[in-house]
Amino acid sequence: DAGVTQSPTHLIKTRGQQVTLRCSPKSGHDTVSWYQQALGQGPQFIFQYYEEEERQRGNFPDRFSGHQFPNYSSELNVNALLLGDSALYLCASSLGQRGYTFGSGTRLTVV
Amino acid sequence: GENVEQHPSTLSVQEGDSAVIKCTYSDSASNYFPWYKQELGKRPQLIIDIRSNVGEKKDQRIAVTLNKTAKHFSLHITETQPEDSAVYFCAAPPGGNTGKLIFGQGTTLQVKP
Repeated sequence: DAGVTQSPTHLIKTRGQQVTLRCSPKSGHDTVSWYQQALGQGPQFIFQYYEEEERQRGNFPDRFSGHQFPNYSSELNVNALLLGDSALYLCASSLGQRGYTFGSGTRLTVV
Repeated sequence: GENVEQHPSTLSVQEGDSAVIKCTYSDSASNYFPWYKQELGKRPQLIIDIRSNVGEKKDQRIAVTLNKTAKHFSLHITETQPEDSAVYFCAAPPGGNTGKLIFGQGTTLQVKP
């Protein structure tokens, strides 16, 4: 039974570029949440997707957008990258609101 | 507002001693309180959680206590071992909506052999 998988594991981008991160939820899970974890900080909620729609959103600008596909997998897109976007991006899947399971994350470095 | 405060930020104990980490939340509607352990370079892993209808939950060497009146909850680790060394995060869902978790700032626990 595969857990939550994220790709890529590491990524280096230049300021101003765009990036897409991917997440495949744990088998049986239908909800995907995205978090940003800056170095030395706790994860911060970006948004959550359920039934292919954004259900909740944290305090992140519109440069952060996402998508959920019919197979429940999800993408996080960040446009016009800033140096401050450098962080570990974590995906968590759940069945509805239960059983939160985190993936190993994508380490994004913006230079 | 949505806020979770966690203390201490760092904690160093001798192997075999107990460790206690405390969190305070602001939203009285929060009803679920998980604790995560994150080792360096790895994902946060749920180690224990508690719901608002109970005051304490224990799982082997780990326990969590909840005081809803004071809006705080604590993680207790007994008989600490070097492999307990990690960063620990508490979290709470604002408005009782467990789909969104607000995390504390984290506590770096070092267990000295």
